[in-house]
Parts: sequence; C-alpha cells; structure tokens
Amino acid sequence: DAMVIQNPRYQVTQFGKPVTLSCSQTLNHNVMYWYQQKSSQAPKLLFHYYDKDFNNEADTPDNFQSRRPNTSFCFLDIRSPGLGDAAMYLCATSRVGLAGGLNTDTQYFGPGTRLTVL
Amino acid sequence: DAKTTQPTSMDCAEGRAANLPCNHSTISGNEYVYWYRQIHSQGPQYIIHGLKNNETNEMASLIITEDRKSSTLILPHATLRDTAVYYCIVRVPNRDDKIIFGKGTRLHILP
Repeated sequence: DAMVIQNPRYQVTQFGKPVTLSCSQTLNHNVMYWYQQKSSQAPKLLFHYYDKDFNNEADTPDNFQSRRPNTSFCFLDIRSPGLGDAAMYLCATSRVGLAGGLNTDTQYFGPGTRLTVL
Repeated sequence: DAKTTQPTSMDCAEGRAANLPCNHSTISGNEYVYWYRQIHSQGPQYIIHGLKNNETNEMASLIITEDRKSSTLILPHATLRDTAVYYCIVRVPNRDDKIIFGKGTRLHILP
C-alpha cells in the first residue's frame, strides 16, 4: 500500500509558468519534508512542516513556496520555474516528538516528481 | 556539509555479502548512524540505524566500531535489486531537522 504519494510522477512546465507539485500521506505523520534532487546529486532539503509550523532552509530560494492545508497533504509551489529548477522533487514524512520509541522518526519518502522546465 | 565519508562506488557479486563502509570520525555522543538507499528513479528508502550496538533487521546488518568513528552496512546476500546508491547519515533521532545526504556509495551488483 502506498504510504507517501506524489502526483504527478512527471511534470513538464514552461519557463516562468507557475507549477504545483502535490504530496499526500496515509501515515498520519506530523512532519512533512520537501527535498530537491538534481541529476547525480544527493537530495537537498528545501523546507519542512512540523505540524502547521513551516521551517524554511536558509538557502531555499524565494521562488519555492509550500502549503500544508491539513495533516495528509503538502504542496510545493514554484512561482516562476527556471531551467535550473529542473530536478526530482521528493516528499518525505516522519513522526517526531511523540511517544513510541526511536523508530518513530524514520523518514519515509515518496517516489518523487520529476520536473522538466522547457 | 555531510558528516560522513563513503567510497564513491563499489561492486559486489550477486549472492555474496556486500559490505559498505562509512567513516564518521566527528560523530557526537547523541548522534545515531542511519543508512538509506535510493534505487534509480525512486525515493530514498530507510534501511537501518544504530547508536553503538550492532543492529540487524530483515534488510541488513549494521556494525559500528567501538569508538563509533566508522560503521559498515552489510547486505548478507546481495541481489540485482540491491543495486542502488547507499547513503550513510549521522543525526540525532526524534527531531524534525533535516537529513543531510552525502554523496553516498553507488553499489553495483554483478550477475
């Protein structure tokens, strides 16, 4: 059963045209993360939500925004995609700060959305 | 910057044990060693983690040296499906902060 779902798996957009990527989870985890992974590089965290609290990484461009309307869903908005934003975007979730042992903080990743910018 | 050092790539024959080393000489007392892997075109997958004792689960074993400055991930009977990039990460568990991925080891399983 899918636990972290990302739609679409492949997204093509035009230079400067806003695009939204979505992530949903069936794990009821309180933390959701967005990572960017460029070709042949390791994933790099953009930001994360701890419950409703948004935590932005210092070097994440303003062009990237996120929304989390409820526990299950989180969106990544790219306001004006540039050619350099072409990448795989990975959503992850974890359960942190709650009773249940150390394994609760394992991050579960979705399959990713591959973004192409034309 | 990642706090770990791993070989860029390794080969292993199918059916043999794959031993992936990781150096983490600056690990602090409350940091655990985590391993994730990423199969091509998929999201990273959690494998195992530990503090100082050796750990084993259905996927792998984790051997941590006594001084905790290095560790080895062991896949006991590698299959072609184990071909992936393996990331060794050190972090404090049960916090919402980021996973800092290093470059990882690209493991090729040879038929």
